[in-house]
Amino acid sequence: DGGITQSPKYLFRKEGQNVTLSCEQNLNHDAMYWYRQDPGQGLRLIYYSQIVNDFQKGDIAEGYSVSREKKESFPLTVTSAQKNPTAFYLCASSSGTARGTEAFFGQGTRLTVV
Amino acid sequence: AQKVTQAQTEISVVEKEDVTLDCVYETRDTTYYLFWYKQPPSGELVFLIRRNSFDEQNEISGRYSWNFQKSTSSFNFTITASQVVDSAVYFCALRGGSSNTGKLIFGQGTTLQVKP
Repeated sequence: DGGITQSPKYLFRKEGQNVTLSCEQNLNHDAMYWYRQDPGQGLRLIYYSQIVNDFQKGDIAEGYSVSREKKESFPLTVTSAQKNPTAFYLCASSSGTARGTEAFFGQGTRLTVV
Repeated sequence: AQKVTQAQTEISVVEKEDVTLDCVYETRDTTYYLFWYKQPPSGELVFLIRRNSFDEQNEISGRYSWNFQKSTSSFNFTITASQVVDSAVYFCALRGGSSNTGKLIFGQGTTLQVKP
């Protein structure tokens, strides 16, 4: 079945550590996105990539980094510079960035700082 | 600036009641798309509907219906005869035409609880 796979489902990070969240899609989509979800705030865009080897900052990119070396993969690293990383992280993909193109989402990774 | 407001944070209904989730948006774009997504407890967002700014026809899909009114910048979602399985967080989202990022602007979400 085609879809988006995020791993791990739950992740615990110690203060000062970098952690990487995995996102893989087999939908052959060009565009991929990372969103952060906090209670009562909806989803906010962290980074997006419209094509392999290219990515752009979203609204809340500080403290995060990404890479897009393969079409199917868009990992997100939460660095120690991210002051409040505890949140639910959702990866999405779409066939393009045209206005009417729907986005498909993974099941998310819940990151907790301990 | 673009913005989506879902004023209802939480709604609780009893099974078989009808319920309407409100969505109000702001955009200066003349061409834009509106979306509704459902987020069940499992976490992933499930696409429900897409509507472009030039199509104000209401849509019905089974127990779900959507009312798009440009005059009031609203795109409301009604569930008829609600069921326990409808319990989820529902997001309204906007994608405008002024950029080609594919970025979705989300509302804060409405948590719907349907009690048996």
